[in-house]
Amino acid sequence: AQKITQTQPGMFVQEKEAVTLDCTYDTSDQSYGLFWYKQPSSGEMIFLIYQGSYDEQNATEGRYSLNFQKARKSANLVISASQLGDSAMYFCAMREGKRNRDDKIIFGKGTRLHILP
Amino acid sequence: DVKVTQSSRYLVKRTGEKVFLECVQDMDHENMFWYRQDPGLGLRLIYFSYDVKMKEKGDIPEGYSVSREKKERFSLILESASTNQTSMYLCASRTVTMAYEQYFGPGTRLTVT
Repeated sequence: AQKITQTQPGMFVQEKEAVTLDCTYDTSDQSYGLFWYKQPSSGEMIFLIYQGSYDEQNATEGRYSLNFQKARKSANLVISASQLGDSAMYFCAMREGKRNRDDKIIFGKGTRLHILP
Repeated sequence: DVKVTQSSRYLVKRTGEKVFLECVQDMDHENMFWYRQDPGLGLRLIYFSYDVKMKEKGDIPEGYSVSREKKERFSLILESASTNQTSMYLCASRTVTMAYEQYFGPGTRLTVT
């Protein structure tokens, strides 16, 4: 069964609009973490934001925020005021494990975001 | 500056060849990972290592093996390359002291003909 589900293979959004990229996850661990990465056409993986399962507040990093709803097991990425440079593939990922030392990090299939001028 | 390097950006090999993909990190990270990335499938974990000489299977280990003799180096080995192993391979490393920090290399695009 998929542990990270990103239901939107592709999205088209007008520049300056806010964007929400969906991510749901499945884990039985109490301690886990959720990430979002951006992969532009150059291929590099760029870390955007992280949310720990025990963090009470939603993580924010500049224009990025993570809408963490633990009971629903969702960790949506919100990009405010989108820019042309936000066009890229976006991956949701989860760190699962109990000890941090040997935790593994698994990824969803990604959402390709296109920002329209 | 944080650095994860991979031995090749592009590699072309023949079916049946033994292939080595090398990954080196200079951050003294404990954990290292190998993923493959295919269109529509995202990143899939092949193997990871949380210490020297330690390895754990990921979700798709079949057809691959790994080696970690030194902390900074994590090698992915295709014992007998097949065409279905044509893919982008990404290496990453992570420190256990900062749970959210995982750094990626630039990737190796492997084509098996």
